[in-house]
Amino acid sequence: ETGVTQSPTHLIKTRGQQVTLRCSSQSGHNTVSWYQQALGQGPQFIFQYYREEENGRGNFPPRFSGLQFPNYSSELNVNALELDDSALYLCASSPPLSYNEQFFGPGTRLTVL
Amino acid sequence: KQEVTQIPAALSVPEGENLVLNCSFTDSAIYNLQWFRQDPGKGLTSLLLIQSSQREQTSGRLNASLDKSSGRSTLYIAASQPGDSATYLCAVGGSGYSTLTFGKGTMLLVSP
Repeated sequence: ETGVTQSPTHLIKTRGQQVTLRCSSQSGHNTVSWYQQALGQGPQFIFQYYREEENGRGNFPPRFSGLQFPNYSSELNVNALELDDSALYLCASSPPLSYNEQFFGPGTRLTVL
Repeated sequence: KQEVTQIPAALSVPEGENLVLNCSFTDSAIYNLQWFRQDPGKGLTSLLLIQSSQREQTSGRLNASLDKSSGRSTLYIAASQPGDSATYLCAVGGSGYSTLTFGKGTMLLVSP
């Protein structure tokens, strides 16, 4: 059974650019959540997708957006990058009917210069 | 709004020692609580999941307890080893649209 995978592993962008991060959920999981983890902090919830619809959102501005595809994989898009967007971005998937049991991927390290 | 606090922020112990990590949360209306391990720059590995109806879970040398009424959980690590060195994160699952609220973690260093 393949776990949650994320790509790319690392990414360097400059302020004002746009970035897309990708996540493949674990087999059989239909819910995907995204988190931002700044250095020395716990992960902060960005949003969650269930059946291709946004199912909840944390305190992040609209320039953070996402998609979920029919195969339950997901994208996180960030527009107009700011220096404070530098962080580890974590994707987690959940099996049906077990929404709070989340399985995390290895993360994407984004650096904004 | 749920807030999760972990104490201590950092802990250094010699190999073989038993230790306790603490987690507290402000809203007792939780669905479950998870303890995760995170190695530097890496993703999260789930260690233990306690449902709100449970009092504790055990896996090998790890034991996690949950006291919903007091808003507390502890992670007990027996006979610590250098390989246990990592950051341990506590996360609370709410009864809403299933997000996790994390503490800032406890950074553990076990020296040989």
